[in-house]
Amino acid sequence: AQSVTQLGSHVSVSEGALVLLRCNYSSSVPPYLFWYVQYPNQGLQLLLKYTSAATLVKGINGFEAEFKKSETSFHLTKPSAHMSDAAEYFCAVSPLGGNKLTFGTGTQLKVEL
Amino acid sequence: EAGVVQSPRYKIIEKKQPVAFWCNPISGHNTLYWYLQNLGQGPELLIRYENEEAVDDSQLPKDRFSAERLKGVDSTLKIQPAELGDSAVYLCASSFSGTSGGPHNEQFFGPGTRLTVL
Repeated sequence: AQSVTQLGSHVSVSEGALVLLRCNYSSSVPPYLFWYVQYPNQGLQLLLKYTSAATLVKGINGFEAEFKKSETSFHLTKPSAHMSDAAEYFCAVSPLGGNKLTFGTGTQLKVEL
Repeated sequence: EAGVVQSPRYKIIEKKQPVAFWCNPISGHNTLYWYLQNLGQGPELLIRYENEEAVDDSQLPKDRFSAERLKGVDSTLKIQPAELGDSAVYLCASSFSGTSGGPHNEQFFGPGTRLTVL
């Protein structure tokens, strides 16, 4: 079964600093990969997705992620954190041609002044 | 364009009572999902509908949970009777799945219903 592991349940950065949220996947073949953001008391919003096209994927709000098959990773980055980025971030995986998203346990991002 | 609508947003009940959640997907979306999100966890799929057909309900605890999507539009998820461990957020999502299918057809999530069972 496919799964994702998010390293670090809580990440704290200073405003203006680099954001790096880690996600590693487990799959026998390269799957589809996603990052979602969830603000308090709201549903999940898709940030970006990898569907076997370009390995560097750009998303909304200045976020991007790079698919690295050799490392089975799909880490999320943003060059400069903003206070509004404080939220919970979920990595998710689905099989090619499948219809089931499997989410990681989430990483709570805190942005400090 | 209106997003996925869920009601109620919050529900507090006593154990052994029944409860129901309602979801109205984005207009034109044929696929509807119900997810369970426990505190500090990612969402877990309970059931997926393609139009009015439940095509994946393998994770739905059928002894107490039921769902329906009679006309292929809005959907109701029911728990009867509720247990303390059912306290969680219940998320509904929808997507348009064309002939190629697949979750790369973006899922749009509603705000969820936060259930507290006392």
